[in-house]
Amino acid sequence: KAGVTQTPRYLIKTRGQQVTLSCSPISGHRSVSWYQQTPGQGLQFLFEYFSETQRNKGNFPGRFSGRQFSNSRSEMNVSTLELGDSALYLCASSLEGTGSLRTLHFGNGTRLTVT
Amino acid sequence: AQSVTQPDIHITVSEGASLELRCNYSYGATPYLFWYVQSPGQGLQLLLKYFSGDTLVQGIKGFEAEFKRSQSSFNLRKPSVHWSDAAEYFCAVGAPDNAGNMLTFGGGTRLMVKP
Repeated sequence: KAGVTQTPRYLIKTRGQQVTLSCSPISGHRSVSWYQQTPGQGLQFLFEYFSETQRNKGNFPGRFSGRQFSNSRSEMNVSTLELGDSALYLCASSLEGTGSLRTLHFGNGTRLTVT
Repeated sequence: AQSVTQPDIHITVSEGASLELRCNYSYGATPYLFWYVQSPGQGLQLLLKYFSGDTLVQGIKGFEAEFKRSQSSFNLRKPSVHWSDAAEYFCAVGAPDNAGNMLTFGGGTRLMVKP
């Protein structure tokens, strides 16, 4: 079974631009979560989608948004990029259920550099 | 809200020596507990998880962890470290009463292995 796929792997953008990152979850997984990883702040939760609805949201400004499609694929968008948005963005998918079914499976991430 | 502390930012051990990485959490009840490992430029790989039951859990790559409720700890151990274990290790907690899959991560411990 294929793992979580994130595209692109690397992105370089300029301040003020906007960017869209894509995530394809493991087949059968309906929950998709996004995390931002930086050296200073570590791993921070952005948001989670399930059945095309945002189920949880972290403490990030409105410039960060996401969506999920009917096939469970997800995209996140960052508008008006700032230098501080440079980070590794990780997507994770999970089966829905209780207990051990809630384990997150991570992709290899998208490395975003804002200049 | 839950929180996770990994007191050691860096640890260096000799190959073949034993390893223990510390993790302390703050949560009102027993959370879901995880250890993930991240190699440079990669996503996070699940090592092991604790949901309930036996407090000593076995994971992949020869790792184990012990949940101690009285100390709010979930320390990761390995009896004999291999050079390929050099990576960054993250402890994470999830809230069983949360409908979603949001995890809170510790700051990570970077493991270096001396030959």
